[in-house]
Amino acid sequence: DTGVSQDPRHKITKRGQNVTFRCDPISEHNRLYWYRQTLGQGPEFLTYFQNEAQLEKSRLLSDRFSAERPKGSFSTLEIQRTEQGDSAMYLCASSRPWEEPTLTEAFFGQGTRLTVV
Amino acid sequence: GNSVTQMEGPVTLSEEAFLTINCTYTATGYPSLFWYVQYPGEGLQLLLKATKADDKGSNKGFEATYRKETTSFHLEKGSVQVSDSAVYFCALRVKAAGNKLTFGGGTRVLVKP
Repeated sequence: DTGVSQDPRHKITKRGQNVTFRCDPISEHNRLYWYRQTLGQGPEFLTYFQNEAQLEKSRLLSDRFSAERPKGSFSTLEIQRTEQGDSAMYLCASSRPWEEPTLTEAFFGQGTRLTVV
Repeated sequence: GNSVTQMEGPVTLSEEAFLTINCTYTATGYPSLFWYVQYPGEGLQLLLKATKADDKGSNKGFEATYRKETTSFHLEKGSVQVSDSAVYFCALRVKAAGNKLTFGGGTRVLVKP
């Protein structure tokens, strides 16, 4: 399967603990995005990478959040000192570069559902 | 800034009924417009898209026309099936905004047999 893969699918953690999620994009996609989706809402942009460079971060991404994409392949999203308000679905998406405008559809993974108790 | 507003659900329909989900947007720059669908237990999937004014996107019997004059991209299907039950998200993307998507809040559609 060459789709976007996210791991784990579900994570339950106690408040104050750190969690890390992984995203493996489609192999030829150099852009990778993280979104957060709370219940009953649309996804909200968190951050994106072009290759290994993190090009934009949303104001939603507090200093407890950090994302990396070493070597421009998979990405990790870490949340430190989790709070109950962090409970959400964390979605990863990948796409081709804008230089190929007809092929820049973003493909989404199935997400990681985080529950902070 | 960029934003998308779509009608709130849930929308409950009988099979073979006509479906319309309204979507309007505001954007700085010239956006591309999308409809994504999220079936129960699955990830977001692109349903259709339109990249310039008056373009019509279509897929699986769904259609939406990019109306720049009314800043709208309403989704329609002439005869829904039970399998169309899902949450539908309208979204936009502006090149200057790094290709990220701005989503509406989603509309849950429930089709009853």
